Amino acid sequence: EAQVTQNPRYLITVTGKKLTVTCSQNMNHEYMSWYRQDPGLGLRQIYYSMNVEVTDKGDVPEGYKVSRKEKRNFPLILESPSPNQTSLYFCASSFGRGSTDTQYFGPGTRLTVL
Amino acid sequence: KQEVTQIPAALSVPEGENLVLNCSFTDSAIYNLQWFRQDPGKGLTSLLLIQSSQREQTSGRLNASLDKSSGRSTLYIAASQPGDSATYLCAVRPGAQKLVFGQGTRLTINP
Repeated sequence: EAQVTQNPRYLITVTGKKLTVTCSQNMNHEYMSWYRQDPGLGLRQIYYSMNVEVTDKGDVPEGYKVSRKEKRNFPLILESPSPNQTSLYFCASSFGRGSTDTQYFGPGTRLTVL
Repeated sequence: KQEVTQIPAALSVPEGENLVLNCSFTDSAIYNLQWFRQDPGKGLTSLLLIQSSQREQTSGRLNASLDKSSGRSTLYIAASQPGDSATYLCAVRPGAQKLVFGQGTRLTINP
């Protein structure tokens, strides 16, 4: 089944404790990105990647890191999480960057930072 | 800066009615527009994608239209069912890099 998977789905952590949220897609997609969803603010892009070893900042990159060492994986790293990073996180992927490319989203990771 | 607005924020209708959800965007220079469905606690499911050169797309009971010149899109749902209850999100792709989302319309279909 074609899908985007994220792990963990739920995470409660404390301020300053490094964590990684994994994202994997099995559709051989070139383009991957991370979004966060907050009440009243909607979905905002954190980082995106056009291909392996190519990443760039989105609208709200502060406090996050990403890497793209393999085509299928795009982990989101919070080196020192803070309470304002409590949010619902989504990973997305698409085949390319064209006008016909549908973006597919993972199931989300609900993160709480105490 | 591209901004996307969805009105109304919430809508409640009886089962069987036809309904229209609205989406407006400020910059007509877009690659495409996508409509998503989001169920509580779950991810986003793509419903329809309209390329910038297209006027509409249809899938089953859903029909989405796009008027780039006026910066508007509508999602028409025919013969609504309780299973259609969800939040519907409109997103435009202003460039290759990202989607810009509206705040969504929370739809409730009453049996």
